[in-house]
Amino acid sequence: GAVVSQHPSRVICKSGTSVKIECRSLDFQATTMFWYRQFPKQSLMLMATSNEGSKATYEQGVEKDKFLINHASLTLSTLTVTSAHPEDSSFYICSATRGPPTYEQYFGPGTRLTVT
Amino acid sequence: GDSVTQMEGPVTLSEEAFLTINCTYTATGYPSLFWYVQYPGEGLQLLLKATKADDKGSNKGFEATYRKETTSFHLEKGSVQVSDSAVYFCALSSNTGFQKLVFGTGTRLLVSP
Repeated sequence: GAVVSQHPSRVICKSGTSVKIECRSLDFQATTMFWYRQFPKQSLMLMATSNEGSKATYEQGVEKDKFLINHASLTLSTLTVTSAHPEDSSFYICSATRGPPTYEQYFGPGTRLTVT
Repeated sequence: GDSVTQMEGPVTLSEEAFLTINCTYTATGYPSLFWYVQYPGEGLQLLLKATKADDKGSNKGFEATYRKETTSFHLEKGSVQVSDSAVYFCALSSNTGFQKLVFGTGTRLLVSP
């Protein structure tokens, strides 16, 4: 158990458009979901933490108006990159946790975003 | 702030060779330490963890010992297999359990027959 999916796996969009990435926990209810961003040859950087039904908590330096996060249910969180620019091109990874007692994070396979 | 430093890759080994991937950390307090593995096309999976000094995490033949005196958590395996080829990430969490993970840059391991 504990499978997390992401959709799409790859997306190419034009500069100025918005793109939505979905993260689903397939076989468990996720109390908390996390969104990470990974640049080539760099570590995963936490962007935000979201809890179902409440506003996401963004890490310092992450623009919340640019990276809109909606955690509408216990199995789905979405990340919308608004007015995308080439510098937003990156690998976006989500994770989900059941919560206590271990709070272990289960990771999705990632979404490669390319903005042209 | 908290940080994790791990050796750059790729690490290229022949099957049955001994593996070490170095990981050191900087953190306040007493973090929990983790190794994650990412196989091609898949998400990160927890490989092993240690929550306090001198703990040894182990799984699938991999081991890592939490060394507070050297702030290290090096990953080792005595005899690697081709199927171990993947990217390995060292990570820490200063919060309870797995919250707020801080990752290293990842080390790609390539094992040839």
